Amino acid sequence: AQRVTQPEKLLSVFKGAPVELKCNYSYSGSPELFWYVQYSRQRLQLLLRHISRESIKGFTADLNKGETSFHLKKPFAQEEDSAMYYCALGGSYIPTFGRGTSLIVHP
Amino acid sequence: GAVVSQHPSWVICKSGTSVKIECRSLDFQATTMFWYRQFPKQSLMLMATSNEGSKATYEQGVEKDKFLINHASLTLSTLTVTSAHPEDSSFYICSARDGGGVTNTGELFFGEGSRLTVL
Repeated sequence: AQRVTQPEKLLSVFKGAPVELKCNYSYSGSPELFWYVQYSRQRLQLLLRHISRESIKGFTADLNKGETSFHLKKPFAQEEDSAMYYCALGGSYIPTFGRGTSLIVHP
Repeated sequence: GAVVSQHPSWVICKSGTSVKIECRSLDFQATTMFWYRQFPKQSLMLMATSNEGSKATYEQGVEKDKFLINHASLTLSTLTVTSAHPEDSSFYICSARDGGGVTNTGELFFGEGSRLTVL
């Protein structure tokens, strides 16, 4: 069965501090992983996907198949990064979401 | 990018009445749409997968007679909460995936969400 685990419900950091939002997955096939973000009063939107291997808004995420992880990282957090972040396992299958991590960046 | 529109964005109804929420893909065809329920600061709970032209697939624990889903066209899926009760009050979100072609990347496009309050 597919499963996505985001161990932290809440992550609170100060502006300029590094951020790492953890995501682990369980899937028997070849995974396709995404990070979605939901800013206050806005709809969920794609932040990045592992196949793109790109940096969006300073965030990066590397798929580690050995550790079955897809952690989201940013070296210097900004206040505007405060949002709910969801890790998702998808692709051509019914997408599975983690419970989400609320990131709060304090000034 | 692709746009999914959800309507209404909020609705208040009396207990026992039914409420219909619409989800439209505005610039692409969506053979599959997903309906979620979101609790405050919590995860998305997948309720059902809506397939164009066929019956929806409901997740375990979701009452299909209570949450009626219709996906009659490639651009519209509806969720009807029948005989609503206060415990049905929630934020309902739909999402869609581009139906096919070279742009089918697996990315989900989300509606704005619909806040249902049952009095």
